[in-house]
Amino acid sequence: EAQVTQNPRYLITVTGKKLTVTCSQNMNHEYMSWYRQDPGLGLRQIYYSMNVEVTDKGDVPEGYKVSRKEKRNFPLILESPSPNQTSLYFCASRSAGWFSNEQFFGPGTRLTVL
Amino acid sequence: QQPVQSPQAVILREGEDAVINCSSSKALYSVHWYRQKHGEAPVFLMILLKGGEQKGHEKISASFNEKKQQSSLYLTASQLSYSGTYFCGTVILRPQGAQKLVFGQGTRLTINP
Repeated sequence: EAQVTQNPRYLITVTGKKLTVTCSQNMNHEYMSWYRQDPGLGLRQIYYSMNVEVTDKGDVPEGYKVSRKEKRNFPLILESPSPNQTSLYFCASRSAGWFSNEQFFGPGTRLTVL
Repeated sequence: QQPVQSPQAVILREGEDAVINCSSSKALYSVHWYRQKHGEAPVFLMILLKGGEQKGHEKISASFNEKKQQSSLYLTASQLSYSGTYFCGTVILRPQGAQKLVFGQGTRLTINP
């Protein structure tokens, strides 16, 4: 089954404790992205990647890191989480192509930073 | 860069129609539409490419006016299953050919029996 998986689905942590949210897709997609969703603000892009070793900042990259060492994986790293990073996070992937490809979303990770 | 959606929320009775608008200050090459049920991931509805085309999906259709930099989503004879938050996404060209997909803030649609 074609899918995007994220782990963990729920996470409660404390300020300053480094964490990683994993994301994996099995569709051989070139593009992968991370979004955060907050009430009233929609889906805001954190980082995206065009392919292995190629990443670029989205609209809200501060406080986050990403890496793309393999095509299928795109982990999101919070080196020193803060309470304002409490949010619902979605990983997504789509194939490259001239504007015409749908994006598949993972199930989401609900993060709470105390 | 984020597209603007209107209205922010709509409440309808089953069987009524709704229109959700999406506008951008940037030139539009394509517009994506997604629907998100509460507590779930967004799910793809359709993509429109520049050229003013319309597309349909069940009783949901959309139009794209590249001159006005706008897209509209039409839901006719709404069903309870149409409830959710609708997002439009627009593609922004970045250096080296990267395509960044940016979403609007969402329109919450509630359908009552």
